[in-house]
Amino acid sequence: GEQVEQRPPHLSVREGDSAIIICTYTDSATAYFSWYKQEAGAGLQLLMSVLSNVDRKEEQGLTVLLNKKDKRLSLNLTAAHPGDSAVYFCAVSVGGQKLVFGQGTILKVYL
Amino acid sequence: DTTVKQNPRYKLARVGKPVNLICSQTMNHDTMYWYQKKPNQAPKLLLFYYDKILNREADTFEKFQSSRPNNSFCSLYIGSAGLEYSAMYLCASSSRQNTEVFFGKGTRLTVV
Repeated sequence: GEQVEQRPPHLSVREGDSAIIICTYTDSATAYFSWYKQEAGAGLQLLMSVLSNVDRKEEQGLTVLLNKKDKRLSLNLTAAHPGDSAVYFCAVSVGGQKLVFGQGTILKVYL
Repeated sequence: DTTVKQNPRYKLARVGKPVNLICSQTMNHDTMYWYQKKPNQAPKLLLFYYDKILNREADTFEKFQSSRPNNSFCSLYIGSAGLEYSAMYLCASSSRQNTEVFFGKGTRLTVV
C-alpha cells in the first residue's frame, strides 16, 4: 500500500525566514494531496489541498508544490512567524478519501 | 461552517471499562472517519462510514465499534479499554463531491 515519508521531523527557523517541509509517496496513482497543521492540544486544521492535476498552489503565505515525476510534495511557509509553530502533516489519498499521513514535522519559529 | 464537533474533549477511563466517543457535523457530509493519534506518530485510520456502510481497517477490526444513527452523528465505541487505547481520537468528515477532509479537535482518551 501507499507509504509516505515526511522530512524533516524537526525544523527551527527564525521569524521571517521560510520553512520547507517535504513528503514523498510511493503510489503513482495518488490523486489527492493535503497539508494539515496541528497546534498544541488541538485537532488537525486543513491548510491546503491539491489534486494531481495541479503543480503549484499558493494561498496566504503558503506554497504547495507537487512533483508527480519524483512523487514529491512540499509545503513552503514564506516569512514564518511564531504563530506558525506547530506540527505539520502531509496526507495523501489514492482515492476514496482514505488519507495516508506522513509522520509529521515539528516546526518552531523563534524571534 | 466547516466544523466537526467532538465530545468530550478529554476522557478518563478505567482499564476494562467501555468508552464511547461522539462526533457530529452539520455539513451534510456522506463520509465520517475515526482516526487514532499517538504522540510522535502519524494519525492512523481506524474506520469510516460512507453513508450507512461501515468500513473497518483490518488491523483494528475487532477492537473498535462504531455507529452512525443519522448523517450528522457518528460514535466510536471501545468495549473494554486497555492501556494501549490511550491516545487522541480524531473524527473527520468529507463529501464525495469534494475531496477535502475536515477534522474535529479530537478527544484525548487516557486509560488508567
